[in-house]
Amino acid sequence: SQELEQSPQSLIVQEGKNLTINCTSSKTLYGLYWYKQKYGEGLIFLMMLQKGGEEKSHEKITAKLDEKKQQSSLHITASQPSHAGIYLCGADISGTASKLTFGTGTRLQVTL
Amino acid sequence: SAVISQKPSRDICQRGTSLTIQCQVDSQVTMMFWYRQQPGQSLTLIATANQGSEATYESGFVIDKFPISRPNLTFSTLTVSNMSPEDSSIYLCSVGTSGNSHYEQYFGPGTRLTVT
Repeated sequence: SQELEQSPQSLIVQEGKNLTINCTSSKTLYGLYWYKQKYGEGLIFLMMLQKGGEEKSHEKITAKLDEKKQQSSLHITASQPSHAGIYLCGADISGTASKLTFGTGTRLQVTL
Repeated sequence: SAVISQKPSRDICQRGTSLTIQCQVDSQVTMMFWYRQQPGQSLTLIATANQGSEATYESGFVIDKFPISRPNLTFSTLTVSNMSPEDSSIYLCSVGTSGNSHYEQYFGPGTRLTVT
């Protein structure tokens, strides 16, 4: 089984709607990273969370890490076509402050 | 943040040959990593590239198949040796830049490899 589960696997939303993507582990997430990937391209760094209960926002994207540090959510407000892509969560689950384990990704499509 | 470039951006290679991928960073970084993303899959760490010493490989990856060099703090190479179609993937370099207790990790644009 995956050490880092993402849900949903894919999502189609209408422009202007809000959406949430979840990333869950049975292990402690010592550092939790959110990335966006356009098809066939590299990863764009969005945010990193470290502390339980931490929340960060950038433009219309908000990420949270729960108090137990086993679940994170990424929320997009008023989605736009530019938000389309694959969202990946990566986490340090070894506590080494270095290498990351990645989730399976969530493919987001935004329709007009 | 860090600006990372990779060469080549894509290549089509014949089985049995080798390809070396270069990763260049615009600033000195402590940590550099190589990941693989197979078609339709998420990322898997191949190895940590250590400056001045041998790379640290993850389970399932060996030096003979994926030799890595890291001659300084801004450059690394990954070679995919004796390629087979199963090696067709996107290969991504990432770097860790210091910040608090965890590094912010940034990724290069990737190298899309197709083995025929």
